[in-house]
Amino acid sequence: QQQVKQSPQSLIVQKGGISIINCAYENTAFDYFPWYQQFPGKGPALLIAIRPDVSEKKEGRFTISFNKSAKQFSLHIMDSQPGDSATYFCAARNDHFGNEKLTFGTGTRLTIIP
Amino acid sequence: DAGVTQSPTHLIKTRGQQVTLRCSPKSGHDTVSWYQQALGQGPQFIFQYYEEEERQRGNFPDRFSGHQFPNYSSELNVNALLLGDSALYLCASSLSQGEQYFGPGTRLTVT
Repeated sequence: QQQVKQSPQSLIVQKGGISIINCAYENTAFDYFPWYQQFPGKGPALLIAIRPDVSEKKEGRFTISFNKSAKQFSLHIMDSQPGDSATYFCAARNDHFGNEKLTFGTGTRLTIIP
Repeated sequence: DAGVTQSPTHLIKTRGQQVTLRCSPKSGHDTVSWYQQALGQGPQFIFQYYEEEERQRGNFPDRFSGHQFPNYSSELNVNALLLGDSALYLCASSLSQGEQYFGPGTRLTVT
């Protein structure tokens, strides 16, 4: 059973535009939500993460919006640049000791065009 | 400070063989998790090691086993390889309940 659904599968955005990737989860026990960026041939790199006690977190050009009642969260990339072209994964975790596996979405391939 | 390192980078094996993959965690980290990433998919959790014990396991058969050493490095072993085991195997290290940092992965091809 897929517990984290991610959309869209692929996204093309013009340079300088806003890229938006959405995720929805089913397990209400999840309480930690990271986003990872992965370039071809590399491992995923942690980008930004949020916990459900806040509705938004911003780090530079990257913002996570979180809607606990809807069980949805999204990544916004402002002023998107060609170097942002990568695959992005949302993930979720039940953040209790001994139960730390990350459940990933299926990924979004983002392409930023000039 | 070196991040998470994995070896080898690439590996080609034949069906039925056994394989061992290795991971060295980021300095100061005591927890190692292993994930399998099939082409075009998100990583799937295999298991996690903490204090040299398997602490949590995902939905993978017993052919997948692991070990953590006193220096926190870890190995992933897969027996009786199947074609479907072809994937990128990722190691992630963390402090317990901390953020997980991934290595570059080992690309396993089973022929």
